[in-house]
Amino acid sequence: ETGVTQTPRHLVMGMTNKKSLKCEQHLGHNAMYWYKQSAKKPLELMFVYSLEERVENNSVPSRFSPECPNSSHLFLHLHTLQPEDSALYLCASSQVTLPVGELFFGEGSRLTVL
Amino acid sequence: SQQGEEDPQALSIQEGENATMNCSYKTSINNLQWYRQNSGRGLVHLILIRSNEREKHSGRLRVTLDTSKKSSSLLITASRAADTASYFCATVPAGAGSYQLTFGKGTKLSVIP
Repeated sequence: ETGVTQTPRHLVMGMTNKKSLKCEQHLGHNAMYWYKQSAKKPLELMFVYSLEERVENNSVPSRFSPECPNSSHLFLHLHTLQPEDSALYLCASSQVTLPVGELFFGEGSRLTVL
Repeated sequence: SQQGEEDPQALSIQEGENATMNCSYKTSINNLQWYRQNSGRGLVHLILIRSNEREKHSGRLRVTLDTSKKSSSLLITASRAADTASYFCATVPAGAGSYQLTFGKGTKLSVIP
């Protein structure tokens, strides 16, 4: 139990579906992250929210849409995805101190796009 | 852009042996972190070492940092089967505050009972 919970753990969707990934942290952190982990590639930082404001957006396609309604919750809304978007999506949180220190990760949501 | 790069990509050892993994990076850093990931699970933070530190210990883990060579190593002593996992280094760039924590591709460690 890391204090960061991701749901669902597994998701299969078609290219025309709309779905959302949810992340919740119970650590009192104020920064939250989405990372993408594809086979044989390094983890890719997608988005960062600090104090509920988006502070990093690493050239992610618009078919991925993040939402951070409060400091404990983070969503990743998915629509019109491509098969190459199949990956493990990892949420993480940290203290709002810079430079960034230790990240606490959830178990991930395994996404398969058919 | 990829910052940390681990070596070797895969390592297989017998239980009780020591395991050493290396990480090289390209630009100046504020800190370097090591994480562990069991298959299909999330990452777990192991150690953070700052650019002005040369060595840190945590239990059976020893991390060294050589900023002149832009490299770090992670040593796991007296390995156990439960240490089987992928190990990643991640770097935070020096200079202006950033949330960018850039990971390498990882070293896959197998410890054979």
